[in-house]
Amino acid sequence: QQQVKQSPQSLIVQKGGISIINCAYENTAFDYFPWYQQFPGKGPALLIAIRPDVSEKKEGRFTISFNKSAKQFSLHIMDSQPGDSATYFCAASSKTSGSRLTFGEGTQLTVNP
Amino acid sequence: EPEVTQTPSHQVTQMGQEVILRCVPISNHLYFYWYRQILGQKVEFLVSFYNNEISEKSEIFDDQFSVERPDGSNFTLKIRSTKLEDSAMYFCASSYGRTPPYEQYFGPGTRLTVT
Repeated sequence: QQQVKQSPQSLIVQKGGISIINCAYENTAFDYFPWYQQFPGKGPALLIAIRPDVSEKKEGRFTISFNKSAKQFSLHIMDSQPGDSATYFCAASSKTSGSRLTFGEGTQLTVNP
Repeated sequence: EPEVTQTPSHQVTQMGQEVILRCVPISNHLYFYWYRQILGQKVEFLVSFYNNEISEKSEIFDDQFSVERPDGSNFTLKIRSTKLEDSAMYFCASSYGRTPPYEQYFGPGTRLTVT
């Protein structure tokens, strides 16, 4: 029940296209959903996060869509750029689990020029 | 910009040996974490640490693991007797307060290889 499932495992997008990564969860106690971006040789870095009281959050080219009833959330990267090529992780946490982040499996995004 | 640092970047050890992975969290942060990522798998929570004691640990964090803040700047993860399955990337993270709303900042990781 603590799992977060992420898809796809890898994604190839052309420059200027839209990248979409999906996550699903089971634990209804989750109340914080961050997305992390990881470049090779670096640790994960927070990209954008959402709480379940809103259905969408946008920061620049990055948007999280959140569907509470379906227990799903997704990351949309608009106008994808080669510099966006990285591994993306969704995660979740709940007040009852303290500060523990539960991560998805990760998506390796490649944006071709 | 302040960052979490970890040493060494790569550690090779023999099965049964003890290893200590070191982390320097961001200086004004109060919460500290260890996560690990086995090659090809997801990042997994190991332990969180606050006010000089473990605040939460996962089922992975058994008696062979321990954490310590030996001074005002370092945060260490000790694996007492390493096993082959301990081979993974170990990430240290820190945050100013409890997540959320405070962000966890991750270090670059230590790749541990157990032979």
